[in-house]
Amino acid sequence: DTGVSQNPRHKITKRGQNVTFRCDPISEHNRLYWYRQTLGQGPEFLTYFQNEAQLEKSRLLSDRFSAERPKGSFSTLEIQRTEQGDSAMYLCASSLVRQMNTEAFFGQGTRLTVV
Amino acid sequence: GNSVTQMEGPVTLSEEAFLTINCTYTATGYPSLFWYVQYPGEGLQLLLKATKADDKGSNKGFEATYRKETTSFHLEKGSVQVSDSAVYFCALQQTSGSRLTFGEGTQLTVNP
Repeated sequence: DTGVSQNPRHKITKRGQNVTFRCDPISEHNRLYWYRQTLGQGPEFLTYFQNEAQLEKSRLLSDRFSAERPKGSFSTLEIQRTEQGDSAMYLCASSLVRQMNTEAFFGQGTRLTVV
Repeated sequence: GNSVTQMEGPVTLSEEAFLTINCTYTATGYPSLFWYVQYPGEGLQLLLKATKADDKGSNKGFEATYRKETTSFHLEKGSVQVSDSAVYFCALQQTSGSRLTFGEGTQLTVNP
């Protein structure tokens, strides 16, 4: 297993454009999480899935943000009408929640720059 | 809501120095506590964890003890190496598999 994979690694877009990021979790991991990290800050939770069901969304996730995990495997995070404040590192993590003491494994992130 | 507070500012040490990075938290009940590390150009990696009061997590010479009475989970290492240079994040998880709440991170630089 190669771990959590995120694509693209970097994305530069013009303000107002839509962008979509992809996350491939560790296979058989049933939970998938999205976080956002700005420079000098810790990651902030956005949303997470249990298989294909979106179980929780943060208030940070405005109407311009949408996430899907259609078959309980990979996930996409779309940002519509991007704003400069959306510039950040978007992190994906996955875990296997079948027992206590689960560990979340993180991908290397997608760095978004809105110009 | 839940929150995690780490000591302010970057930390710069000489090799073999003693390291402490303070972490305090606010949460209800008994969350699990974690330290994650982010090396330059890499993703977050779990360094150690503790799931109940008085547990001590340890890994690669790093240790942290879950102190319920002081709501703290301070990270320590007796002798740091240049290769320990990274950003360290304290985090809590209210229930198994739920969201992680992170502190703001502490940049550690170890000079030879």
